[in-house]
Amino acid sequence: DTEVTQTPKHLVMGMTNKKSLKCEQHMGHRAMYWYKQKAKKPPELMFVYSYEKLSINESVPSRFSPECPNSSLLNLHLHALQPEDSALYLCASRGDRANEKLFFGSGTQLSVL
Amino acid sequence: EDQVTQSPEALRLQEGESSSLNCSYTVSGLRGLFWYRQDPGKGPEFLFTLYSAGEEKEKERLKATLTKKESFLHITAPKPEDSATYLCAVSGYGGSQGNLIFGKGTKLSVKP
Repeated sequence: DTEVTQTPKHLVMGMTNKKSLKCEQHMGHRAMYWYKQKAKKPPELMFVYSYEKLSINESVPSRFSPECPNSSLLNLHLHALQPEDSALYLCASRGDRANEKLFFGSGTQLSVL
Repeated sequence: EDQVTQSPEALRLQEGESSSLNCSYTVSGLRGLFWYRQDPGKGPEFLFTLYSAGEEKEKERLKATLTKKESFLHITAPKPEDSATYLCAVSGYGGSQGNLIFGKGTKLSVKP
């Protein structure tokens, strides 16, 4: 299994809602990532988890709250988002070596109304 | 500071018309250079990893090459299904902590 699975594929939420994005992989990868991608832009790194501990937070607003419940799962909890947070949210995972490729999921297309 | 610049931003080809995409990079010690293909609304799909100057890799109509300053993605006799955005990314030993630095991508359109 070389897949990273993200749910839901699409999400529409109001600015007062609370929702969560989910990501799962069964490749035994211990590094997991959240990226945000706006239209016609490259992916921007948000968070990195290494061995289930948050190792990088790229100055992301607190309305985005990541969680890594176990080595296979990664969540992104969303609360009080703004319309400018509308984007494609990508999860990725990687093996132990820093020069290995990232495996990306197919993303969650988020619209904030 | 690690940096990746891709050119052109957009490329339109006729089916069968070969061409190359460029990725220029600046990095404090290269761990690896990565090429991904991305279709609209989807996650990037891995194509190649290159680790050292002179290295080349091929897959179907695509061939990636690497020098100390840039990488090329050569597309031979492209087909409409090759239409996508091609992303280049580097992982370095410097301030990026080994995480990927992406270029802005080249949007390729192949017309039948």
